[in-house]
Order: sequence, then C-alpha cells, then structure tokens
Amino acid sequence: GQNIDQPTEMTATEGAIVQINCTYQTSGFNGLFWYQQHAGEAPTFLSYNVLDGLEEKGRFSSFLSRSKGYSYLLLKELQMKDSASYLCAVMDSNYQLIWGAGTKLIIKP
Amino acid sequence: DADVTQTPRNRITKTGKRIMLECSQTKGHDRMYWYRQDPGLGLRLIYYSFDVKDINKGEISDGYSVSRQAQAKFSLSLESAIPNQTALYFCATSDGDRDTGELFFGEGSRLTVL
Repeated sequence: GQNIDQPTEMTATEGAIVQINCTYQTSGFNGLFWYQQHAGEAPTFLSYNVLDGLEEKGRFSSFLSRSKGYSYLLLKELQMKDSASYLCAVMDSNYQLIWGAGTKLIIKP
Repeated sequence: DADVTQTPRNRITKTGKRIMLECSQTKGHDRMYWYRQDPGLGLRLIYYSFDVKDINKGEISDGYSVSRQAQAKFSLSLESAIPNQTALYFCATSDGDRDTGELFFGEGSRLTVL
C-alpha cells in the first residue's frame, strides 16, 4: 500500500531552527508537496520538489531524496506564527495526491 | 473575498438526513476536489472533477455523491448522513495546465452528524 510517515508533533523554540521529516512509499512519484495548516483553517501551499536537492524559499526550505523516499521541511528563525500543522503529500504515478497525517509544530517563547 | 468559497461553514445534522455542501471558485480552474479531514489521518479524497463533464471517485466515495453544475461550482451530497461522516470537509481547486499541481483550498465545512 501507499504510505506517508511524518512525526505527529514537534516542539521548538522561537528563533530556533526545526526540521520536519517525511518518508514515503508510493506507487510512482510525480512530486512532493508541503502545506501549512493553521488550526481550523485551510491548508496553504509551501513548497514543491520533484528533483533531488534543496529548494529554498525565504525562511523555509524543502529537501528531497527520491532514492531514499525522504523529504524534510526546514524552518529557520522560527516565529510564533509558525505554530501550525505541516502536511507532506506525494503525487503518485496516477497523479493522485497521497497525504500524510501532518506534523503539529508547537513554538514556545 | 476568498477565491474558493464553501457553504455552510458549520452544520450539525441528524443521522439519516440529506446534506449538501457547496463549493464555488473564482480562480477559473478546471479541476475541483472534495476532501475530508479527520484527526490523526491525512486528507482523503472523496471525489474529483477535471471539467464539467468529468466526475471521478476518490479513495472514499461510498456514501457521497457530487455534482459539477458549472466550471465554478462543485457540490458534495451526503444522501443519508451517518455519524462516522462527522469530519472537516475541504473543497480544493487546481490549474491543470501548471506542472506543480498546487491545490487551493476553501476554508472548510465542519459537519457533525448526531
């Protein structure tokens, strides 16, 4: 079956750096997405990786290793507003998105 | 105003009742989706539509039906609601012409079935 694994919850300190990991086993691969979802709100797009390597976008970076079935989202200079759930999703060979359950990130002052 | 609008935002109903959740979008996208989100689970696809004449079942379509009334409108129906359909429902759109397949979500409809 298809599976996306990410930690259920993480805690970090304001101003610090945090890395949220995602491992996947899917039928084919056509890209990996990270979304941010604040409590009670809609998910919003953060990043897309289809080739191996690091994609940097401001304070957020996303890394992909297709051979390892692995990605991470790196958040730098954490701010209180970064407290949210971070969803990893993989597009399979049928161009369907398979979603992880999300990682709840708690930022402490 | 939101680009993807869902109504109602919150609904409490009883087992056996028929419920319709509506979604409209102003993004001009051809592709529309209905997902449900449950605590501890990933988003699960219920139905999707790539254009007005195209309707496809997703991972968990049993107990649900959809209607694509126009490019901008995609509604989800629960013909006879049951308690395990209590969830947060999201409508989403995407531009099929883009490579990334980025989804744009509505604000969600929280449904409680008693």
